[in-house]
Amino acid sequence: GAGVSQSPRYKVTKRGQDVALRCDPISGHVSLYWYRQALGQGPEFLTYFNYEAQQDKSGLPNDRFSAERPEGSISTLTIQRTEQRDSAMYRCASSLLRVGSQFNEQFFGPGTRLTVL
Amino acid sequence: AQSVTQLDSQVPVFEEAPVELRCNYSSSVSVYLFWYVQYPNQGLQLLLKYLSGSTLVESINGFEAEFNKSQTSFHLRKPSVHISDTAEYFCAVSERSSNYKLTFGKGTLLTVNP
Repeated sequence: GAGVSQSPRYKVTKRGQDVALRCDPISGHVSLYWYRQALGQGPEFLTYFNYEAQQDKSGLPNDRFSAERPEGSISTLTIQRTEQRDSAMYRCASSLLRVGSQFNEQFFGPGTRLTVL
Repeated sequence: AQSVTQLDSQVPVFEEAPVELRCNYSSSVSVYLFWYVQYPNQGLQLLLKYLSGSTLVESINGFEAEFNKSQTSFHLRKPSVHISDTAEYFCAVSERSSNYKLTFGKGTLLTVNP
């Protein structure tokens, strides 16, 4: 597709359930990023992949959160045993990886709005 | 670790008026600076960026921002706004050594009224 796509766009779940959020990056984009945006806040970095390798997961809040990108394309962010405080917009972004470049622009998807009841 | 402060959560203005959205950052290392815009029901889009060189950077739709190192600021300005500029604007910073990790401010909702 032309841009980053995320699914589902909206997810309502009950506390204690597991959820899986999907990100399909722009074709050819090697790097993929996950952010979380709570209501009234800016996006907060969660994790980052180059190809299938998770380069930095320092932003994942606890071990209930995990992400994978097994074939270096589509990525899944999984939240186990969801809690109400996990309610937020989860944003995915992708970029090219140009070695030596000062900056690789991140293109953001529309986000998945997660509500935990 | 770096942080970004956007002092104004909402800025209402009339069409054709000038606007300034304020952004201050804090970091112990050299940084890159960005403004992102989110139009209603859309994803975040990069509006403009400062990497190096001239401290004044411009976007294609008339916005500009100036990097002020001594004041650790990167305020966004436009001399005359349009209704279509209504959106939420986010200031962001990344360390030069780890430029993939963006730290965002809380955002400023710009509402342009007729």
